[in-house]
Amino acid sequence: DQQVKQNSPSLSVQEGRISILNCDYTNSMFDYFLWYKKYPAEGPTFLISISSIKDKNEDGRFTVFLNKSAKHLSLHIVPSQPGDSAVYFCAASGNRQTGANNLFFGTGTRLTVIP
Amino acid sequence: DGGITQSPKYLFRKEGQNVTLSCEQNLNHDAMYWYRQDPGQGLRLIYYSQIVNDFQKGDIAEGYSVSREKKESFPLTVTSAQKNPTAFYLCASSSTSVGTQYFGPGTRLTVL
Repeated sequence: DQQVKQNSPSLSVQEGRISILNCDYTNSMFDYFLWYKKYPAEGPTFLISISSIKDKNEDGRFTVFLNKSAKHLSLHIVPSQPGDSAVYFCAASGNRQTGANNLFFGTGTRLTVIP
Repeated sequence: DGGITQSPKYLFRKEGQNVTLSCEQNLNHDAMYWYRQDPGQGLRLIYYSQIVNDFQKGDIAEGYSVSREKKESFPLTVTSAQKNPTAFYLCASSSTSVGTQYFGPGTRLTVL
């Protein structure tokens, strides 16, 4: 059963506009969430994370929003650039206080930024 | 340069053969992980190790084995018992057992 879901397999956005990538999760024990960016045939690159004690974390053009009641998080990229074109994975981990750091990944959203 | 290296980038093996994928990190990270990615799917955890000489099974450990004799190295053996070994394999590490995971470039294994 997929505990982390990215329901949009692809997204196209015009350069300079906002990209919003969405992620839903089912396990209420998840307390740490991450976004990774991945190019074909390469390993994922860590982008930004958020702890469950926060509802927003910002790093430059990237902002992650967490809505715990809805079990939903989103990644906003503003402004979008052609170099942002990649597959974005949402990941979640739980039980961090017990030392477990298993990441559960969504299936990814392919973002295409059109120049 | 600090980082995670995986070798080789592409690997071919005949059905029924065991093959070992290399993962090395010079980040002084305690924890290391192995994932596989299949087309259209997210990454799934095979094995992880929080300290040297210790490792645990992930969600899809059947047909795989690992060792962690050194902090820097976490090789993964894909055995002939793995029914569908063709995939993209990713190694990751984190400074602690709860730290952010950083990934290597991956190894694409194809079974002929």
